[in-house]
Amino acid sequence: GQQLNQSPQSMFIQEGEDVSMNCTSSSIFNTWLWYKQDPGEGPVLLIALYKAGELTSNGRLTAQFGITRKDSFLNISASIPSDVGIYFCAGPGLDTGNQFYFGTGTSLTVIP
Amino acid sequence: DTEVTQTPKHLVMGMTNKKSLKCEQHMGHRAMYWYKQKAKKPPELMFVYSYEKLSINESVPSRFSPECPNSSLLNLHLHALQPEDSALYLCASSQDAGDISTDTQYFGPGTRLTVL
Repeated sequence: GQQLNQSPQSMFIQEGEDVSMNCTSSSIFNTWLWYKQDPGEGPVLLIALYKAGELTSNGRLTAQFGITRKDSFLNISASIPSDVGIYFCAGPGLDTGNQFYFGTGTSLTVIP
Repeated sequence: DTEVTQTPKHLVMGMTNKKSLKCEQHMGHRAMYWYKQKAKKPPELMFVYSYEKLSINESVPSRFSPECPNSSLLNLHLHALQPEDSALYLCASSQDAGDISTDTQYFGPGTRLTVL
């Protein structure tokens, strides 16, 4: 199956700093999704990307769909304490069936 | 409305109990999913229903039994679980209309299951 690797695995930053994390795949995707998950809750969709090269913003969040279709990055500007959580990249596979693939996750801690 | 609801929020059960998890969506989505998630790990796919038919079963033990009564509802029946089955169980749905490579999943809040 398709594997998604996220980096960094964890980040500890000061409130107000910008954050950047990325996701790479061994094969291409037609859709890249970024989710945030708080402890004990379900993942919440932050940004969906559907076109190679696409740059999309959602408030302080910006994500890009890599030109090669094998990577994506997520930036968070001016971090605040409520940005704490685990961020997952994900995407539906190109093969048959309804298989979705998830990245390994980036754990973000924001220090006030 | 992009809401997927799940009940109960928390469930504690013994190894001999039978219980069910419920999931509902009213977005007109035709694919629904069950995932199991351990702490700090990505969700692991268990089952997928597409147009109310089971399309993926990721070699899940038979003590987990999914059911899709209609296009809006998804159940997960639990019987004779083990303590290692304790986890967050997530339901998700997606449109599944034509090109699955552009499908987008929406998750419910999850059920925190503890097996004693």
